[in-house]
Amino acid sequence: DGGITQSPKYLFRKEGQNVTLSCEQNLNHDAMYWYRQDPGQGLRLIYYSQIVNDFQKGDIAEGYSVSREKKESFPLTVTSAQKNPTAFYLCASSLQGPDTQYFGPGTRLTVL
Amino acid sequence: GENVEQHPSTLSVQEGDSAVIKCTYSDSASNYFPWYKQELGKRPQLIIDIRSNVGEKKDQRIAVTLNKTAKHFSLHITETQPEDSAVYFCAASRNSGGYQKVTFGTGTKLQVIP
Repeated sequence: DGGITQSPKYLFRKEGQNVTLSCEQNLNHDAMYWYRQDPGQGLRLIYYSQIVNDFQKGDIAEGYSVSREKKESFPLTVTSAQKNPTAFYLCASSLQGPDTQYFGPGTRLTVL
Repeated sequence: GENVEQHPSTLSVQEGDSAVIKCTYSDSASNYFPWYKQELGKRPQLIIDIRSNVGEKKDQRIAVTLNKTAKHFSLHITETQPEDSAVYFCAASRNSGGYQKVTFGTGTKLQVIP
């Protein structure tokens, strides 16, 4: 899992601002995912992508946007439309098909 | 869509005892079932997985069983050690419109008491 990185580790945002979380992988994985984790809860899927220039909404996509211009990169933008954005955000990647997901170290976003 | 339920939400065991965590899923099309361990403040990491054509898999002190008919799968940890203390997540993965979609359980916080 050293091949997938996220930045920054901590991020503070004022209400009304958009912020972009970075996710990069050098594992040559086609599939990439964004999850949100709230205290004491599981991982909820925000967006996922299986190939470049294509992505799908997950279970809680409202207020978020993504792009997949390169195979290695899958940035997530948290927009001002997201009502409660304070959370721990995890990016993951995997090979095509049913396979292990490798997670990045996460970004902890706090809205002030 | 898929729904994965995980029980218990917390589990305390004495060091050396066994721990069992159970998950149920709703979509019979799910075909891959990974288990992840997440230590405090860290990323989830795969500890074991099982595919739908297999009923049981073991890796040292960890084993997973799958009952496709009943749509449930379980994680078994034997001879627990303090370093097993963490949050464990089950997941069910299925093909959805050409994409592999993964649904996670809500997690089990395991505490191993020395």
